Amino acid sequence: EADIYQTPRYLVIGTGKKITLECSQTMGHDKMYWYQQDPGMELHLIHYSYGVNSTEKGDLSSESTVSRIRTEHFPLTLESARPSHTSQYLCASSGDRDETQYFGPGTRLLVL
Amino acid sequence: KNQVEQSPQSLIILEGKNCTLQCNYTVSPFSNLRWYKQDTGRGPVSLTIMTFSENTKSNGRYTATLDADTKQSSLHITASQLSDSASYICVVSDRGSTLGRLYFGRGTQLTVWP
Repeated sequence: EADIYQTPRYLVIGTGKKITLECSQTMGHDKMYWYQQDPGMELHLIHYSYGVNSTEKGDLSSESTVSRIRTEHFPLTLESARPSHTSQYLCASSGDRDETQYFGPGTRLLVL
Repeated sequence: KNQVEQSPQSLIILEGKNCTLQCNYTVSPFSNLRWYKQDTGRGPVSLTIMTFSENTKSNGRYTATLDADTKQSSLHITASQLSDSASYICVVSDRGSTLGRLYFGRGTQLTVWP
């Protein structure tokens, strides 16, 4: 079982609210990722980070933002949630030994 | 366009039976291919990783094969158990760097019935 955690696991929120999805890992991995996954669909990379103070946008355009102030912490923020943001958000990390990504349990977001 | 296609989309089998899941990809250049298992409501967990030179790799009852010439991979599950019910995702990497960008298939949803 990977040591990567996400909170909250489930979130129901109204349109226009600001939300932050938390992701923490205790494996000392430099690389961390955020994916968005809709039911029956493939994972889409929305943000990634090589290390502290390094963040990049992924392949799928997203209105969310991320920060990497500490190695173990990679939060994702939506300034103004909309129903189109309803999805599952998965956080992952990987080390230098191989590229295997270890995933957190995900946050299921519902925006009303 | 780099793509990963999986078949079947869903599969129902009886406990104890074997099954094979397919993955075809067009990702180039190829670095490696992984199979992940994703239980409902959980994040994916890596089962196997295969590089260009590897044809087969086993992890318990899971055996993955790779044909880099035809760009096909399969995941064979032997003597299925109820706990095998999950989505199985094929993931292909197009580089060996530490970037970590991957191409994901949509997964095969496997249901094992008692």
